[in-house]
Amino acid sequence: AQKITQTQPGMFVQEKEAVTLDCTYDTSDPSYGLFWYKQPSSGEMIFLIYQGSYDQQNATEGRYSLNFQKARKSANLVISASQLGDSAMYFCAMREGVQGGSEKLVFGKGTKLTVNP
Amino acid sequence: DTGVSQDPRHKITKRGQNVTFRCDPISEHNRLYWYRQTLGQGPEFLTYFQNEAQLEKSRLLSDRFSAERPKGSFSTLEIQRTEQGDSAMYLCASSTVGINEQFFGPGTRLTVL
Repeated sequence: AQKITQTQPGMFVQEKEAVTLDCTYDTSDPSYGLFWYKQPSSGEMIFLIYQGSYDQQNATEGRYSLNFQKARKSANLVISASQLGDSAMYFCAMREGVQGGSEKLVFGKGTKLTVNP
Repeated sequence: DTGVSQDPRHKITKRGQNVTFRCDPISEHNRLYWYRQTLGQGPEFLTYFQNEAQLEKSRLLSDRFSAERPKGSFSTLEIQRTEQGDSAMYLCASSTVGINEQFFGPGTRLTVL
């Protein structure tokens, strides 16, 4: 079974509007971390935001926020006030056993976001 | 403050040749990771070092692949007898205790002809 599912291969948004990128995950470990990375056409993975499974508040970093719904096992990324430079691939990832467990990140297949002027 | 660097950025080789990639992590990061990314997919974990110790290996890391981090600083990833299926972007990342995120380098794009 896939650990990370991103169901939107591509998304389009108008500049200055908000957009939500979906991510669902599958784990039986009570301790895990969820990440979002951005990958522009240059190829480098850029860290955006992190949410721990025990965090009470949804994570926010500037224009990025993570809509964490633990019971539904979803961790959607919300980008507010989209900019042309936000056009890129976005990957959701999970690390299980954050406290002393595996170090590996498991990534989804990504969503290609296009911001239109 | 320099980020993670990788060398070379691009490598074209013929099937059957050996290739070696280098990764220099962010200074003082004791954790180093290798991932492989094929077209249209997310990165897949290959291996993880803490200092010089290789603590985790994926079953993707076949016998033809070997990674080292001899002094706990830079790391090398060697692929022996390359196959066309090895064509991919090889990404290196680093981190350290107390930091959740992994910081990625620009990657080495390998093309096997």
